[in-house]
Amino acid sequence: DVKVTQSSRYLVKRTGEKVFLECVQDMDHENMFWYRQDPGLGLRLIYFSYDVKMKEKGDIPEGYSVSREKKERFSLILESASTNQTSMYLCASRGVSGANVLTFGAGSRLTVL
Amino acid sequence: RKEVEQDPGPFNVPEGATVAFNCTYSNSASQSFFWYRQDCRKEPKLLMSVYSSGNEDGRFTAQLNRASQYISLLIRDSKLSDSATYLCVVNPYSSASKIIFGSGTRLSIRP
Repeated sequence: DVKVTQSSRYLVKRTGEKVFLECVQDMDHENMFWYRQDPGLGLRLIYFSYDVKMKEKGDIPEGYSVSREKKERFSLILESASTNQTSMYLCASRGVSGANVLTFGAGSRLTVL
Repeated sequence: RKEVEQDPGPFNVPEGATVAFNCTYSNSASQSFFWYRQDCRKEPKLLMSVYSSGNEDGRFTAQLNRASQYISLLIRDSKLSDSATYLCVVNPYSSASKIIFGSGTRLSIRP
């Protein structure tokens, strides 16, 4: 089974702090995604990476950046956290062959005070 | 209009009942369709893909109606453990990144 691991399940940060969310997958998947999930808004794509060092903005990239230096690792960075970035962050991966199925990590619940 | 729309529920049904929900999508060129299940405070997990001819997996049946642009999920003989939020997922262009999630339908099964 594909495993997607998010390093932090719960984080509490202060406004203005820099935040790193790490995601690692173990199935050599090319595609990796960062979503945030908020009540009533569903999952919204922040950034997508289709290969090492390759990235594409999603629907809500403002206030976020990403890094993909190795195939298995996709990091989400909040340069200066704000209270409206309090959310559940979900990382997912998918191979380019097969049935377009996304596999998610367990999520990182971030609270910005 | 949202690209993927679901009735948010909640659907509250007794154990053993049959329950069905639909999901409509706006892009007629959509290629791939899925149902995911998400338990409270957990990540979404694939329940089943939805194929053009319809498909069944145990108590779960998924149907696709391209003419009316909706997919459906039917759960027979519902169990307490079926209580969850069910997310409709559509991949409109067979593009790598354009995956659209519905906001989810909450299902609660009561004893």
